[in-house]
Amino acid sequence: ETGVTQTPRHLVMGMTNKKSLKCEQHLGHNAMYWYKQSAKKPLELMFVYNFKEQTENNSVPSRFSPECPNSSHLFLHLHTLQPEDSALYLCASSQEIGSYGYTFGSGTRLTVV
Amino acid sequence: AQKVTQAQTEISVVEKEDVTLDCVYETRDTTYYLFWYKQPPSGELVFLIRRNSFDEQNEISGRYSWNFQKSTSSFNFTITASQVVDSAVYFCERGTYKYIFGTGTRLKVLA
Repeated sequence: ETGVTQTPRHLVMGMTNKKSLKCEQHLGHNAMYWYKQSAKKPLELMFVYNFKEQTENNSVPSRFSPECPNSSHLFLHLHTLQPEDSALYLCASSQEIGSYGYTFGSGTRLTVV
Repeated sequence: AQKVTQAQTEISVVEKEDVTLDCVYETRDTTYYLFWYKQPPSGELVFLIRRNSFDEQNEISGRYSWNFQKSTSSFNFTITASQVVDSAVYFCERGTYKYIFGTGTRLKVLA
């Protein structure tokens, strides 16, 4: 499988649940990203990983916890979310940071009830 | 903060019309990269083009063309003879040591 794969595609969770989003890329890219896209808001960068090391945390609340066990996999662990966290969560990868375009996954549509 | 501005929030055109999406960026860097992405209703952002700051040649790919003007810090995107399938949100982005996205332009092409 090529490209960036995100699972699940849709997720509904209660505010007390714990869930995880998964992202996988087989492109040999060294950088991976989590973005949040809410209705009528620009794309918000959440986290950046470069060679498995977190290089950026864009003031994201601690109820979002990223994990990057290797260069091909990225997770976003979710716990005690709020309804305003409902959004499309996009994973992306790039060969390196800044100079190459992203390859995006299809996203996970998250609804917090 | 250095911004990327897409002043057109939403554009509606009739099929077969040409349409230009504007992108203006700010940067203090001499080396940087510019990108356009398309986000159709399905949600997945699709990479369209990458240009580096040293290459001001305009580029054409089928019905798509890009005009890079360093003097005005603009990287505009034109779709010629638009089609309904072009309906999407289009994002401009600037990259250096980090990426900055514009807020996107929603293009509606009406049949």
